[in-house]
Amino acid sequence: TQLLEQSPQFLSIQEGENLTVYCNSSSVFSSLQWYRQEPGEGPVLLVTVVTGGEVKKLKRLTFQFGDARKDSSLHITAAQPGDTGLYLCAGGNYGGSQGNLIFGKGTKLSVKP
Amino acid sequence: DAMVIQNPRYQVTQFGKPVTLSCSQTLNHNVMYWYQQKSSQAPKLLFHYYDKDFNNEADTPDNFQSRRPNTSFCFLDIRSPGLGDAAMYLCATSRGGLGDTLFTDTQYFGPGTRLTVL
Repeated sequence: TQLLEQSPQFLSIQEGENLTVYCNSSSVFSSLQWYRQEPGEGPVLLVTVVTGGEVKKLKRLTFQFGDARKDSSLHITAAQPGDTGLYLCAGGNYGGSQGNLIFGKGTKLSVKP
Repeated sequence: DAMVIQNPRYQVTQFGKPVTLSCSQTLNHNVMYWYQQKSSQAPKLLFHYYDKDFNNEADTPDNFQSRRPNTSFCFLDIRSPGLGDAAMYLCATSRGGLGDTLFTDTQYFGPGTRLTVL
């Protein structure tokens, strides 16, 4: 069974601080997605990474896929209150037609002004 | 502009009273998924359709059923809701397709339906 472990589970920081969220597995994934979810809303896709070692940037967010495609990290620079939410990583396996995702349990981020 | 639409956004039902949740998509994706998400937890896959092929997760209770009458629409039926079924229900889609080198398993979620059971 493939599992994705996210850490930390909860994170409370002040505006302007930097933070990193980790997503780790002993299994290889063909792709890794990061989502942000606000209370009462569905997850919104932030990024998909597919190549080992890949780094993608989305404004103040930097996503990295591990060389072995078993882990990923999300780094936020100068966090803002608008970054508050639940961050979910999800691993996908190419090779099937149905694209089932394995979700981590999420990191609940709170950024205080 | 909306890609995955869920109706209603909020649904209140009574214990044991059947309820149907609706999902539609404008992406023309082959695959549609239903997830259950409880507070501060990750989404839990209930089942999915690849085109018209239905795939049930092993631990999805029989109380949950689904229908996909066409590519655009998918329904979640809860036959006899219990208090433990109160949750956010999320619909998602993905392109699917064998031999597609651009396929990255990306799923796109709707805004969810919050179900309350009284």
